[in-house]
Amino acid sequence: AQSVSQHNHHVILSEAASLELGCNYSYGGTVNLFWYVQYPGQHLQLLLKYFSGDPLVKGIKGFEAEFIKSKFSFNLRKPSVQWSDTAEYFCAVNEIRAAGNKLTFGGGTRVLVKP
Amino acid sequence: NAGVTQTPKFRILKIGQSMTLQCTQDMNHNYMYWYRQDPGMGLKLIYYSVGAGITDKGEVPNGYNVSRSTTEDFPLRLELAAPSQTSVYFCASSYWRISGLSQHFGDGTRLSIL
Repeated sequence: AQSVSQHNHHVILSEAASLELGCNYSYGGTVNLFWYVQYPGQHLQLLLKYFSGDPLVKGIKGFEAEFIKSKFSFNLRKPSVQWSDTAEYFCAVNEIRAAGNKLTFGGGTRVLVKP
Repeated sequence: NAGVTQTPKFRILKIGQSMTLQCTQDMNHNYMYWYRQDPGMGLKLIYYSVGAGITDKGEVPNGYNVSRSTTEDFPLRLELAAPSQTSVYFCASSYWRISGLSQHFGDGTRLSIL
């Protein structure tokens, strides 16, 4: 069964610090990869996505993610966080299958940025 | 263009009551999904639909039912509410493309079973 692992459940850091959130998955076939963000009291929003091509993907708000196929990873990064980046971040993996696709989310990582 | 609309936003139910969570999208998306979000657990897929008249179970379908009579609507039904169904429910939709899909989410329905 496919699984998506986000190893850090909680991350606390100060403004201007660098952020990296890990995401690993187990499906060996073709995947589409996503990072979503959920700000307090709001719904999920798409940060960035990888379908094909350049494995380094740039998203909104200064975020980027790198797809490393050999490591089954899609880690999210931001060089310098702001207080407004306090949110919960979800990695999602869509398995591309002939019988139909299904999206699976990781457990989420809560990020608290201290001012 | 409203996107994905969920109603109600909040609801409190008694054990054993039934209710329907409504979800509608105006983007002519083929795929629709229902998730529940429990604290620290991320999103769990309850049911999904690849088009009108077609539904399938996700990871946690027990205690729920869905229907997809139109492209726009994908209601989620709780027949006998149980405390374990206290959660935040998100509906999402996507348009299938060869290169992949991105989901659009509703604002969520916070449901408490007492």
